[in-house]
Amino acid sequence: QVQLQESGPGLVNPSETLSLTCSISGGSINNYYWTWIRQSPGKGLEWLGHIYSRGSTIYNPSLRSRLTLSVDMSKNEFSVKVNSVTATDTAVYYCARLQFPRGYMDVWGRGTTVTVSS
Amino acid sequence: EAVLTQSPGTLSLSPGERATLSCRASHGVSSAYLAWYQQKPGQAPRLLMYGGSTRATGIPDRFSGSESGTDFTLTISRLEPEDFAIYYCQQYDSSLSVTFGGGTKVEIK
Repeated sequence: QVQLQESGPGLVNPSETLSLTCSISGGSINNYYWTWIRQSPGKGLEWLGHIYSRGSTIYNPSLRSRLTLSVDMSKNEFSVKVNSVTATDTAVYYCARLQFPRGYMDVWGRGTTVTVSS
Repeated sequence: EAVLTQSPGTLSLSPGERATLSCRASHGVSSAYLAWYQQKPGQAPRLLMYGGSTRATGIPDRFSGSESGTDFTLTISRLEPEDFAIYYCQQYDSSLSVTFGGGTKVEIK
């Protein structure tokens, strides 16, 4: 059974870069799409982007200029970086597996809370 | 990209009652690319339905999905105590982008 676990700093200073990693266990990263979604406090779900195991990416157009997704197949993990963060980037960040071509997320991590504050 | 509008924002019902949740797309969305999720407080979303009407693994048959044009409906035939949660619809469009609706909260009346 595939399981996902997010990791990274829980507190990031404004204007700095938020970096999170999603570790995959119980399955391979290969031949799947992997995605990041966030949820601001008390708000709905916002898709950030997804990456195929071989590295091709699709980003949310509203965040594209600040996002970088990457994959490390040797470690069976993928990552997200958000540049120039502000308080509005404070959220619970989830990683998930996206089933292509239907585009639904069938496996989710538990989420990790990131607060942007000095 | 399509905007998904969910209604109502909050649905107050009693256990045993029927819940009908709506997800309206601003323009053409195929049910093949429409999914529903359930989220409980402090938990990650859980996939309920994909392809508009296909239940995910382990989802009980009291959950069903349907489509009428650009309107998608999630129906819970008889609410169980564990069904009180927030529900989101989600679509995957031709540009390979993902969009979520704003959610419907199903609360105990």
